[in-house]
Amino acid sequence: GQQVMQIPQYQHVQEGEDFTTYCNSSTTLSNIQWYKQRPGGHPVFLIQLVKSGEVKKQKRLTFQFGEAKKNSSLHITATQTTDVGTYFCAVPMHMLTFGGGTRLMVKP
Amino acid sequence: EPEVTQTPSHQVTQMGQEVILRCVPISNHLYFYWYRQILGQKVEFLVSFYNNEISEKSEIFDDQFSVERPDGSNFTLKIRSTKLEDSAMYFCASSEAMAGFPSTEAFFGQGTRLTVV
Repeated sequence: GQQVMQIPQYQHVQEGEDFTTYCNSSTTLSNIQWYKQRPGGHPVFLIQLVKSGEVKKQKRLTFQFGEAKKNSSLHITATQTTDVGTYFCAVPMHMLTFGGGTRLMVKP
Repeated sequence: EPEVTQTPSHQVTQMGQEVILRCVPISNHLYFYWYRQILGQKVEFLVSFYNNEISEKSEIFDDQFSVERPDGSNFTLKIRSTKLEDSAMYFCASSEAMAGFPSTEAFFGQGTRLTVV
């Protein structure tokens, strides 16, 4: 069946270092969404990518959709303690199917 | 800002008991969902609901689960005979159009933490 894999599962970084999480699908996607879940919180929508090769930026966050529309990445430049949380990609399978998430921990 | 609200925030129940988790989706949204998240794990799709009927469900959503929209505002998830492995955070979500469609984001509630003892 269709699968979406997300790596890494965990990432510890020193404050100020960069962070990247990757999402890979076995099939071509119509679009991909990214959500952030703070510790003890609920998933909150960050962004949606639709076009092949699309790159979108939100301040220190850069989101990319692969040319083949099978993979995506989220890159955070110069992490801050407020970036702590789990970042999920979500794809339209069974409505919205979440990747396993990447838990980001930032050491001050 | 409109938000999805869920009650209770925490529910403790004995194994074998029935529980009902309640949600009030955003008022102009048409699609409603239940997801669950076992502690530290991924967010898993349970069921989607549109036009007063289930539109999609996962293999997790077996006969012990049911959903209902008893009135114009509430959306409920019932677990008939809870098991220990049902312990998880249950999130309700809603969207204007089918979540995952371009330009359609899902709005999540704060969740209900269900603990089965």
